[in-house]
Amino acid sequence: GAVVSQHPSRVICKSGTSVKIECRSLDFQATTMFWYRQFPKQSLMLMATSNEGSKATYEQGVEKDKFLINHASLTLSTLTVTSAHPEDSSFYICSLPGRDRDETQYFGPGTRLLVL
Amino acid sequence: AQSVAQPEDQVNVAEGNPLTVKCTYSVSGNPYLFWYVQYPNRGLQFLLKYITGDNLVKGSYGFEAEFNKSQTSFHLKKPSALVSDSALYFCAVRARYSSASKIIFGSGTRLSIRP
Repeated sequence: GAVVSQHPSRVICKSGTSVKIECRSLDFQATTMFWYRQFPKQSLMLMATSNEGSKATYEQGVEKDKFLINHASLTLSTLTVTSAHPEDSSFYICSLPGRDRDETQYFGPGTRLLVL
Repeated sequence: AQSVAQPEDQVNVAEGNPLTVKCTYSVSGNPYLFWYVQYPNRGLQFLLKYITGDNLVKGSYGFEAEFNKSQTSFHLKKPSALVSDSALYFCAVRARYSSASKIIFGSGTRLSIRP
């Protein structure tokens, strides 16, 4: 199956700094990627859909200026948390859609962000 | 609007006993249904899916799920639990027409298997 990587796996930063998280498709080209956020002991919440060559589609309540998404190529999407604050500390997971409609999405291993 | 409900935050089962993790859904049309498992600080692992056909779906690690259209349920089951099954389990739904349509997750159920 497809392999999705995320980098970094863990990051600790100071409040006010920006953090970039990369999501790479290692197996096939993806025009669409998804970004999820998961708080401790909670479910995954879809933040946005990343579209190659165009603007991302954000879910209601997600600040697009806070969470910048860039899908610069068919194998790479990045999520930048700008001016991070402690409440942004979370587990961020990306995923790719399956190659045909019967396939599940492929999820990355996640990135743990801790903002001090 | 699509939604998925997992009514139990936690399920506790003794090793060797059967387990059930409940899931009900509310969607229009005939969605795809999924179960995923998550271990601490890890991404999601796919367990099984229902697309069409036989209502009993078999998946990874001995898990299975039964699709019940009249009750709009998709409960996850395993005949004999293992301690290593202890993890967080998510039920999810997705529209049928495209793999690029978004997945809606349930709130998750923590499964704890005691030795």
